[in-house]
Amino acid sequence: GDSVTQMEGPVTLSEEAFLTINCTYTATGYPSLFWYVQYPGEGLQLLLKATKADDKGSNKGFEATYRKETTSFHLEKGSVQVSDSAVYFCALSSSGGYQKVTFGIGTKLQVIP
Amino acid sequence: GAGVSQSPSNKVTEKGKDVELRCDPISGHTALYWYRQRLGQGLEFLIYFQGNSAPDKSGLPSDRFSAERTGESVSTLTIQRTQQEDSAVYLCASSGRGRVGYEQYFGPGTRLTVT
Repeated sequence: GDSVTQMEGPVTLSEEAFLTINCTYTATGYPSLFWYVQYPGEGLQLLLKATKADDKGSNKGFEATYRKETTSFHLEKGSVQVSDSAVYFCALSSSGGYQKVTFGIGTKLQVIP
Repeated sequence: GAGVSQSPSNKVTEKGKDVELRCDPISGHTALYWYRQRLGQGLEFLIYFQGNSAPDKSGLPSDRFSAERTGESVSTLTIQRTQQEDSAVYLCASSGRGRVGYEQYFGPGTRLTVT
């Protein structure tokens, strides 16, 4: 079945550092790929998505590129801020008839001033 | 309200008791999903509704779990004879369409603790 593997946290970075959170997936067909973010005390919200190979999703300075050859969707940001502290979830949606989403375990990011 | 709401936000129950968790999706959203997140684990799909029918119940972990949806609005997840392994955060999400590529909007979750 579908699965998502992402690096375990927590990840602690200083403000303005470069961020990479690795994510790889296993799925049949051509899934859509997502990064969701959960800020402290809030619900999950979509950060970015990519629906086909080589697409790049981007939002709020974050980027991720759909790499079919390596089955990866790594999240990157060039300069993190304290306000980026949150839990980040990599996810995929099967290419079937509806959007059943499979999530990774989540990576907690803590950015210190 | 503007977003997905869930109630209660926290629920502590004794082993063997039944619990009901409620989800109010965004008005007009036809698709509704329930997920479970155990401590230290990813979100686990439970059930999907399109309107008030549930074409995919494959994620429900046992026959103690059931869910209903009234029209295209409120959904209730019921857990009968709760067990300690049912302790988790239960998340509800809705989307305007059930098709791939449509964003799911999540509620804040219900934290269930079974003692």
